[in-house]
Amino acid sequence: SAVISQKPSRDICQRGTSLTIQCQVDSQVTMMFWYRQQPGQSLTLIATANQGSEATYESGFVIDKFPISRPNLTFSTLTVSNMSPEDSSIYLCSVISQSSYEQYFGPGTRLTVT
Amino acid sequence: QKEVEQDPGPLSVPEGAIVSLNCTYSNSAFQYFMWYRQYSRKGPELLMYTYSSGNKEDGRFTAQVDKSSKYISLFIRDSQPSDSATYLCAMGVTGNQFYFGTGTSLTVIP
Repeated sequence: SAVISQKPSRDICQRGTSLTIQCQVDSQVTMMFWYRQQPGQSLTLIATANQGSEATYESGFVIDKFPISRPNLTFSTLTVSNMSPEDSSIYLCSVISQSSYEQYFGPGTRLTVT
Repeated sequence: QKEVEQDPGPLSVPEGAIVSLNCTYSNSAFQYFMWYRQYSRKGPELLMYTYSSGNKEDGRFTAQVDKSSKYISLFIRDSQPSDSATYLCAMGVTGNQFYFGTGTSLTVIP
């Protein structure tokens, strides 16, 4: 299994500001993802973080709003830019094991935008 | 139609009961099936993972996949208050993209 840590675990931010969330994995993984989870809703995939190239964004998510970095195979960041109250959510980092195809999640970052 | 349908509950059972959690899906090409447990204010934790069809058992947990009916189930035997959580199903065609249900909230009453 993979052990994933995220920072910060939670934050309260003002409208119009930006927050960068960090994700660290205890082993090298090829596939790393960022999800959003809103109350009562399914996990929504934001983007796939690609090492050495630009992230691949899902429909409805754009790089200007959610820039992602992936400098190596164990680390990624997601920035939530120009935040509004609608961005209040839990943001989850996730990886897929290359050997077993099992998907693991970090503990999440609980973001509240006021 | 959503790729994955899951009854959100909430489901409330007495301690010791057998719990049945279910998901249906529309894509017959799905062959990777997973169940996650998510405690409040925590990330999802992988519980069970099944490739293709059939049953898989791990302690008090049994996962079943019925591909002919496009239906998967998670059974929890001798349920405990510590099983109180939200359970999410997930499935995929390949091993690099998975579709998630909305989760079923379970409460086990002592």
